[in-house]
Amino acid sequence: SQKIEQNSEALNIQEGKTATLTCNYTNYSPAYLQWYRQDPGRGPVFLLLIRENEKEKRKERLKVTFDTTLKQSLFHITASQPADSATYLCALGSRAGNNRKLIWGLGTSLAVNP
Amino acid sequence: EPEVTQTPSHQVTQMGQEVILRCVPISNHLYFYWYRQILGQKVEFLVSFYNNEISEKSEIFDDQFSVERPDGSNFTLKIRSTKLEDSAMYFCASSGQGQNIQYFGAGTRLSVL
Repeated sequence: SQKIEQNSEALNIQEGKTATLTCNYTNYSPAYLQWYRQDPGRGPVFLLLIRENEKEKRKERLKVTFDTTLKQSLFHITASQPADSATYLCALGSRAGNNRKLIWGLGTSLAVNP
Repeated sequence: EPEVTQTPSHQVTQMGQEVILRCVPISNHLYFYWYRQILGQKVEFLVSFYNNEISEKSEIFDDQFSVERPDGSNFTLKIRSTKLEDSAMYFCASSGQGQNIQYFGAGTRLSVL
C-alpha cells in the first residue's frame, strides 16, 4: 500500500540555522508533491509545490527538492526563526483527471529556539 | 486574501445524531474536498467534488457520509448517524481550475460523546 514517511522525531534547531525535513514515499508515483505548514488546531497552509519533472523549487527562505528515483523530497528552511516553529506536512498528488486527492505524511514538528 | 471558511469551529454531538459541517470555499474555485484528521494522526482524504458530483471518495466515506453544494457558495458534509470514532478535525479545501494547490479552512472540531 502507499506509504509516506516523514522524520518521526521532532526537530529542534537554533535560530538562524537551516532546518531540513525529509519526506519518503513508497508504492506511489506522484505527479507532484506539496509541503504544508500546520499550526496546532489549525488547517494546513500551502507552502510549496514541486512537480515530478522538477528537481528543486525555491521561495524566499524555503527550498524543496524532489528525487523521484530515491522517492524522496527534502524541505529546507534557511535562516530559521522562532516563528517557523510548526508541524510541516508532506502531501502527494496524482495526475489523474479530476482526481486531485492528496495523500499525507504524519508531519514533522519543528521547534526553532531563540 | 480570499480564504476558505468553515462553521462551526467546534461541534459537540451525541452518538447517533446527525451533524452538518459547513464550508464556504474560495469563490471562483471549482474543486472541493473534505479531509479529516484524528488527533495525533495523519490528514486523511474523505471526498472530492467537481461539477456538482463526487469525483472520488475514500473507504472512510461510507453511506453515513454525504456532501452537497446546495447553492453557489456553500459546500456541506453530513454525517447521518455519528459514531464515537467520527471525532476528529474536519477540513474543507478548495482549488481552482488548472490548480493543484489546495486551500484549507481552519477546520471544524467534531466531538462525538
